[in-house]
Amino acid sequence: KAGVTQTPRYLIKTRGQQVTLSCSPISGHRSVSWYQQTPGQGLQFLFEYFSETQRNKGNFPGRFSGRQFSNSRSEMNVSTLELGDSALYLCASRLSPSTDTQYFGPGTRLTVL
Amino acid sequence: KQEVTQIPAALSVPEGENLVLNCSFTDSAIYNLQWFRQDPGKGLTSLLLIQSSQREQTSGRLNASLDKSSGRSTLYIAASQPGDSATYLCAVGMDSSYKLIFGSGTRLLVRP
Repeated sequence: KAGVTQTPRYLIKTRGQQVTLSCSPISGHRSVSWYQQTPGQGLQFLFEYFSETQRNKGNFPGRFSGRQFSNSRSEMNVSTLELGDSALYLCASRLSPSTDTQYFGPGTRLTVL
Repeated sequence: KQEVTQIPAALSVPEGENLVLNCSFTDSAIYNLQWFRQDPGKGLTSLLLIQSSQREQTSGRLNASLDKSSGRSTLYIAASQPGDSATYLCAVGMDSSYKLIFGSGTRLLVRP
């Protein structure tokens, strides 16, 4: 069974640009969460989606947004990129909000110049 | 506000040694606690999940304990191997949502 896949794996952008990251959950998983990992702040929760609805949101500015499609694939978008947005963005999927075990993808490494 | 702390930040041990990684949290009203492993440049792998009603979980050479009243969890690794070298992260869930609160991790190096 294929794991969580994230594309692209690496991305370089400049300040002010916007970026879209994609996450495909494990087949059958309907809940997708996004996390940001930086050396300074560690791992921080961004948001979770289930059945195309955002269920929870972390403490991030409105420049960070996401969505989920009917096939459970999810995208996150960051607009007006800042240097501090450079991070590893991790996606995790689980079967449903009532199951606790989640599976993480390899992440997308975003560098903002 | 829940805060999760992991000590030490880094640990280097010879192969074969038994070791304990520590995780502490400030708010004892947790839903669950999870231990993850992260290899360089890779995502997280879930190792053990302890529900708030449980005291410990075991998987192979790994044993995780939870003491909610003292706000502590430990991850015990028996007979460490070089392949255990990785960063170990502790994360607390406050409810059934997936808003996990992570510690900063312990970077473990097991020397051959």
